[in-house]
Amino acid sequence: DQQVKQNSPSLSVQEGRISILNCDYTNSMFDYFLWYKKYPAEGPTFLISISSIKDKNEDGRFTVFLNKSAKHLSLHIVPSQPGDSAVYFCAAGGGASKIIFGSGTRLSIRP
Amino acid sequence: DVKVTQSSRYLVKRTGEKVFLECVQDMDHENMFWYRQDPGLGLRLIYFSYDVKMKEKGDIPEGYSVSREKKERFSLILESTSTNQTSMYLCASGRGGRTYGYTFGSGTRLTVV
Repeated sequence: DQQVKQNSPSLSVQEGRISILNCDYTNSMFDYFLWYKKYPAEGPTFLISISSIKDKNEDGRFTVFLNKSAKHLSLHIVPSQPGDSAVYFCAAGGGASKIIFGSGTRLSIRP
Repeated sequence: DVKVTQSSRYLVKRTGEKVFLECVQDMDHENMFWYRQDPGLGLRLIYFSYDVKMKEKGDIPEGYSVSREKKERFSLILESTSTNQTSMYLCASGRGGRTYGYTFGSGTRLTVV
């Protein structure tokens, strides 16, 4: 039973445009959410997070939106750059529980 | 700078061999984790540990064991490798109690032939 779902395995976006990566979760006990970015042959690196008390968190070109009623979060990257091409993992956690990761979305930025 | 170091980047082993994957963190984190990453399956938790000498099974513990004799070191052991254990193995660590995220190592690409 997947508690964190990324339904799009891949996404292709033109350089300079907005990239939107989506994530759904089922466990209403989750109260913080994270996005990780992973390049091939490297470990995931933390990108941005959001607490359930907020509905938006912004860091430079990256913004995460949280819709608690829909149990949905999204990552917006604008403008998209070639270096953004990577696999993006959505993750969620609650209290002292371990973090649950989604299956990942491969983002490709085309020139 | 915070670090999680995995002992090997690439390993090639024959079926049936024993493999030790070592992970060391320098952040004094209580929690340590072993994941494997496979295409389309994301990050799957193998084992984790909340303290020295403690270990708990994750989602896919079969065929693996772990050891945590010191706080900074968490080892993943494959007693008798099989081809379906060919994967990218990732170690991570995080603070105890409320976790705000993990720091990952660079990963070990294990190929079993």
